Amino acid sequence: DTGVSQDPRHKITKRGQNVTFRCDPISEHNRLYWYRQTLGQGPEFLTYFQNEAQLEKSRLLSDRFSAERPKGSFSTLEIQRTEQGDSAMYLCASSLGLADPKETQYFGPGTRLLVL
Amino acid sequence: AQKVTQAQTEISVVEKEDVTLDCVYETRDTTYYLFWYKQPPSGELVFLIRRNSFDEQNEISGRYSWNFQKSTSSFNFTITASQVVDSAVYFCAKGTYKYIFGTGTRLKVLA
Repeated sequence: DTGVSQDPRHKITKRGQNVTFRCDPISEHNRLYWYRQTLGQGPEFLTYFQNEAQLEKSRLLSDRFSAERPKGSFSTLEIQRTEQGDSAMYLCASSLGLADPKETQYFGPGTRLLVL
Repeated sequence: AQKVTQAQTEISVVEKEDVTLDCVYETRDTTYYLFWYKQPPSGELVFLIRRNSFDEQNEISGRYSWNFQKSTSSFNFTITASQVVDSAVYFCAKGTYKYIFGTGTRLKVLA
């Protein structure tokens, strides 16, 4: 089975630039989640999709952040006008959703962002 | 706010020792799920176990065991006969579709 994949694995950018991350979930999973993890902390929920519908967004997701899942498969997370405080690991996870009574999220390797 | 607390920031043990990682959570929900994940240095969160709030049976999987006590809102994780490969950060989490994670416990197993 192919797990969750994320691209790129590392990104260094200058403050003010835009960045986009991609997540490919496990193929039969219809739910996709984004989390952010800063150093020494646990992951924090950002948003999630059921197929192509974005069902919830955290208050952490400012107007500079946008996530899409246009065809219900892969997802992108874009950060506009990056700030140094955006430096973190961005984790993507997927799950079967309601089809699985033991719904469990499986995580990708993450994209580590450093904003200079 | 509902919270997951992992009071142990870092634990060091010598190989073959047993070690218990503590997790305490707050909840207003009657039905909820609890999880443990392992995060090795590579960064990927590896799923270890999921437990439903209505199932308080303890579980054992090889060298791993979990003790769920609803009365004290705790879901502790024990590694028996620890090995160097167990060195990682371990996260406890609670949730249904949106997980709330603790701050993690870094476990160092020394040879």
